[in-house]
Amino acid sequence: KNEVEQSPQNLTAQEGEFITINCSYSVGISALHWLQQHPGGGIVSLFMLSSGKKKHGRLIATINIQEKHSSLHITASHPRDSAVYICAVNGGGSNYKLTFGKGTLLTVNP
Amino acid sequence: NAGVTQTPKFQVLKTGQSMTLQCAQDMNHEYMSWYRQDPGMGLRLIHYSVGAGITDQGEVPNGYNVSRSTTEDFPLRLLSAAPSQTSVYFCASSYKAFPSGANVLTFGAGSRLTVL
Repeated sequence: KNEVEQSPQNLTAQEGEFITINCSYSVGISALHWLQQHPGGGIVSLFMLSSGKKKHGRLIATINIQEKHSSLHITASHPRDSAVYICAVNGGGSNYKLTFGKGTLLTVNP
Repeated sequence: NAGVTQTPKFQVLKTGQSMTLQCAQDMNHEYMSWYRQDPGMGLRLIHYSVGAGITDQGEVPNGYNVSRSTTEDFPLRLLSAAPSQTSVYFCASSYKAFPSGANVLTFGAGSRLTVL
């Protein structure tokens, strides 16, 4: 079973700051997902990546397969970015089963 | 495009009662899955399906049953509800079973279940 660790657990930032959330996993994977969950519960998929880097607007996700590590960056953060960010991986014996981190609660103050 | 539809949004059960959480998608997705989300635990996979007629267990399958008779529907059945099953349940689907292409997950809005 893959272990997925996220850091930090909680993060408070001022509007405009550059944000980094980290995700480490214990065994080889085929893909890593970043998800966003706003207060009130809805979950949205931000990225799926298996190598390199992806960018969507102010969000950038990177993955280093050799180091078993991924980062989610938010540039020019805004209060609407306040949410829980969740890392999930599939692989480590089964490509069909996702293992999730516990999430990082981001609060961006105006 | 409705996406992934979960019903009901809220449900209160008594211990021992049975119920079914419904999940339907209209995107012709092959992969469907059920998760529960508990405080401090993160999301955990209950059951998943890679196509009609094919289901398998996830991390926490005990007390839950699933079937996939059509591509669109993937109901989750609680056979005899217990207080430990109080949780928020999410259904999610993707076009293909992992991993392939830009295979992101689409989540339903969630179902909050309380078992007394």
